[in-house]
Amino acid sequence: AQRVTQPEKLLSVFKGAPVELKCNYSYSGSPELFWYVQYSRQRLQLLLRHISRESIKGFTADLNKGETSFHLKKPFAQEEDSAMYYCALSSGRNTDKLIFGTGTRLQVFP
Amino acid sequence: KAGVTQTPRYLIKTRGQQVTLSCSPISGHRSVSWYQQTPGQGLQFLFEYFSETQRNKGNFPGRFSGRQFSNSRSEMNVSTLELGDSALYLCASSLARTSGSIYEQFFGPGTRLTVL
Repeated sequence: AQRVTQPEKLLSVFKGAPVELKCNYSYSGSPELFWYVQYSRQRLQLLLRHISRESIKGFTADLNKGETSFHLKKPFAQEEDSAMYYCALSSGRNTDKLIFGTGTRLQVFP
Repeated sequence: KAGVTQTPRYLIKTRGQQVTLSCSPISGHRSVSWYQQTPGQGLQFLFEYFSETQRNKGNFPGRFSGRQFSNSRSEMNVSTLELGDSALYLCASSLARTSGSIYEQFFGPGTRLTVL
């Protein structure tokens, strides 16, 4: 079955601390994985996708097929990073359906 | 260009009523997907439309239905509302994927439905 698991509902860190938001997936085939972010009172928006292999707002995520993981990392958290983060998996070819994890709320304290 | 718009933004209904939500995608986007967002379940996929055809459907009861018009605008309908249908309903639009990698999904602000 296709599934995305985000084990942490809440992650609290202080400004300047490293951050790692965990995401594990279950998918038979070559997965396409994404991180979406929802800032307070804003729309859900794409943060990054694994195929682009780029850093957005200092965040990176590496697909580890052996561990079926796609953890989101940032070396130094900023207060403006406080938001809800969702890991998502593309359901397959010829569809735009995304399977989302339950989300992790990141709180960055000053 | 204008983003995805959803109307209405807020709705209050009572059990047993029915409701219709509307989504206008970004101009040029022909794929529209709907999601239900709740605190306990997160984002759950409802259905996906492309070229006025339902391309995919999530695991929701038949009370949930939708359609897409020739201008790519989409509506979803929930009949015989239940308390558990209270949620934020999100619409997302994108260039339609027919092969290759998926395009970026752009989400609307959502419709907050409260069932009393």
